[in-house]
Amino acid sequence: EAQLVESGGGLVQPGRSLRLSCVASGFTFDESAFHWVRQGPGKGLEWVSGITWNSGHIGYADSVKGRFTISRDNAKNSLYLQMNSLRVEDTALYYCVKDRRYCSGGDCHSFSPLYFDSWGRGTLVTVSS
Amino acid sequence: EIVMTQSPATLSVSPGERATLSCRASQSAGSNLAWYQQKPGQAPRVLIYGASTRATGVPARFSGSGSGTEFTLTISSLQSEDFAVYYCQQYNNWPSLTFGGGTKVEIK
Repeated sequence: EAQLVESGGGLVQPGRSLRLSCVASGFTFDESAFHWVRQGPGKGLEWVSGITWNSGHIGYADSVKGRFTISRDNAKNSLYLQMNSLRVEDTALYYCVKDRRYCSGGDCHSFSPLYFDSWGRGTLVTVSS
Repeated sequence: EIVMTQSPATLSVSPGERATLSCRASQSAGSNLAWYQQKPGQAPRVLIYGASTRATGVPARFSGSGSGTEFTLTISSLQSEDFAVYYCQQYNNWPSLTFGGGTKVEIK
C-alpha cells in the first residue's frame, strides 16, 4: 500500500522560505509522478505543482510560479517543495499526492496526468508575522 | 486555466435519499475528470476517475457521468458515511490542474 509522509511545515514570517519534504513507500517511486496540493483553512483544494518520474515535466499554479520549486530525489524516495517569498495567502495544509500515471519502460518522454490515487496526511504551513 | 464550478455549494439530504452534484468546466475537460470525497480531518480520496469509472473499493451507489464541460456525481442512496465534501478535478489541461470549489453534503 502506498504511503506518503510529509514534513517541514511550520510557522514562518511573510517573505521567508520553507522547504517541505515527502517520503514515499509501498510502490516504485522512480516510476511515479507526484504533485503538491494545498488546502487553506476552511477552504477547498488547490493544485500547487507537479513533477514527473524523471523531472522532465514540471508544472506550477500561477499563484506560486516563480516562488516555489518542486524537486525529487529518486535515490531517497523523496519529493520536495521549496517555498520562497512566502505570503500570508500561502497558509495551508500541504498534501503530497501521487499521480496514477506512471512510467514503466517504453516511451516516458511525454506526460499527461491522471487522477490522484494516494494522498499523505499533509503538513501545515502558517505564514504570519 | 480551466475553471471548475461546482453546484450547489451545500446539499441537504436525508439518509436513503438520492444526491446529485454538478460540476461545470469553463472549457472542455474531455473525460479527464475525477471526483474526490473529503471527510473532516482526513485527506481526500478518489471516488471516480475518467468521469465515470469507480475507483477500487468505491461502493456502487456512487456513479459519475458527463463529458466535455458538464459532469455529475450521483449518490443513489445516501448512507451516514457519505456526508462529506466532494470535489471535482480536471486533469485534461497540464500543467494547469484545477479543482472545483466543493459541494458539502450534509444531513437534512
